[in-house]
Amino acid sequence: SAVISQKPSRDICQRGTSLTIQCQVDSQVTMMFWYRQQPGQSLTLIATANQGSEATYESGFVIDKFPISRPNLTFSTLTVSNLSPEDSSIYLCSVTQGKNAGYTFGSGTRLTVV
Amino acid sequence: AQSVTQLGSHVSVSEGALVLLRCNYSSSVPPYLFWYVQYPNQGLQLLLKYTSAATLVKGINGFEAEFKKSETSFHLTKPSAHMSDAAEYFCAVSGGQAGTALIFGKGTTLSVSS
Repeated sequence: SAVISQKPSRDICQRGTSLTIQCQVDSQVTMMFWYRQQPGQSLTLIATANQGSEATYESGFVIDKFPISRPNLTFSTLTVSNLSPEDSSIYLCSVTQGKNAGYTFGSGTRLTVV
Repeated sequence: AQSVTQLGSHVSVSEGALVLLRCNYSSSVPPYLFWYVQYPNQGLQLLLKYTSAATLVKGINGFEAEFKKSETSFHLTKPSAHMSDAAEYFCAVSGGQAGTALIFGKGTTLSVSS
């Protein structure tokens, strides 16, 4: 299965600033997924990133707040913009490599907004 | 569209007792179903997955789950709970097609008492 390197593992940011999270996969994958896990909550899908096209956002998530880059088949970034304390969460990327493959998750980025 | 409902946000059992965590799914296509465990301040760990093969799926740490199409269920069981099983458990569903994201349930916290 794929191996994902997610950076940074954690960060503390000032409100009003932005944080960019990177995910590097050790093999080519068509789709990458970005999730948010708020404190004590489950994982919520933010968007699906397909190389070469605009990301598809889930209800409640907008591109201006969560811009996504997918420049090639092994890399993606998620930016969380104009940070507020409510954005304090763990953000994770995920990939799948086919119909019967499982899903691999990055180790997560723990964001604290102060 | 796919969704999962985990019945019971918190389940408490005694050590040695049966563990039963409930998950019902909704899917417009044959689903792939997953159970993940998350220990405090740790990442997601895959317990088991159903991908349209055998309906009784055995996973790690003595857990198993049975896919019941007639009941749209995928309940997680373990015959004898151990203190180390205390964690958050997530049921998740995908549409099975390549490139579809996992959709997670809200999670069930399992507590194990001695």
